[in-house]
Amino acid sequence: KNEVEQSPQNLTAQEGEFITINCSYSVGISALHWLQQHPGGGIVSLFMLSSGKKKHGRLIATINIQEKHSSLHITASHPRDSAVYICAVEYNDMRFGAGTRLTVKP
Amino acid sequence: KAGVTQTPRYLIKTRGQQVTLSCSPISGHRSVSWYQQTPGQGLQFLFEYFSETQRNKGNFPGRFSGRQFSNSRSEMNVSTLELGDSALYLCASSFSGVGWQETQYFGPGTRLLVL
Repeated sequence: KNEVEQSPQNLTAQEGEFITINCSYSVGISALHWLQQHPGGGIVSLFMLSSGKKKHGRLIATINIQEKHSSLHITASHPRDSAVYICAVEYNDMRFGAGTRLTVKP
Repeated sequence: KAGVTQTPRYLIKTRGQQVTLSCSPISGHRSVSWYQQTPGQGLQFLFEYFSETQRNKGNFPGRFSGRQFSNSRSEMNVSTLELGDSALYLCASSFSGVGWQETQYFGPGTRLLVL
């Protein structure tokens, strides 16, 4: 069983829709990261969370430490948001979710 | 500031050979981590170096090794290549090396194909 579970695996949305990607983990962690990977492989770190909520532009990330759950929200989605979003947790070493492939159609 | 660079970007090797990949972190960053990404296993942590010392290692066989130089540049080596080593190898750097408790900056990756 993977210690980091993401849902959904795939997500298709229309431009402008509100998007939610979920991440659940089963171990105690020091921090949780949301990563974005575009076709071609480059990875960008979007957020690092240890508690509460962070916002950057149209992206919002929340974490509930007690429930071992985090969500990544994208407001007013745009085709350029199409990418794979990966949740990663710091636990002794780094553990990664399988990723959520988001496609936003114009 | 230049980003994290990795060389080479693409590599084709045959089974049994060995390979060395290089990662140059952002100037001033002292921590370098390496990751393997495959379609089947996703992203997996290989190892982390800080100030020339390996601080953490993932669950990979001894064929996978690495080192870090005094200028923070890092190399990873895979000996006796197997078909399953075909993957995208990514490195990431951070400033103070406090594990992942700070933003990681990723390089573009080296895509290795083992035939």
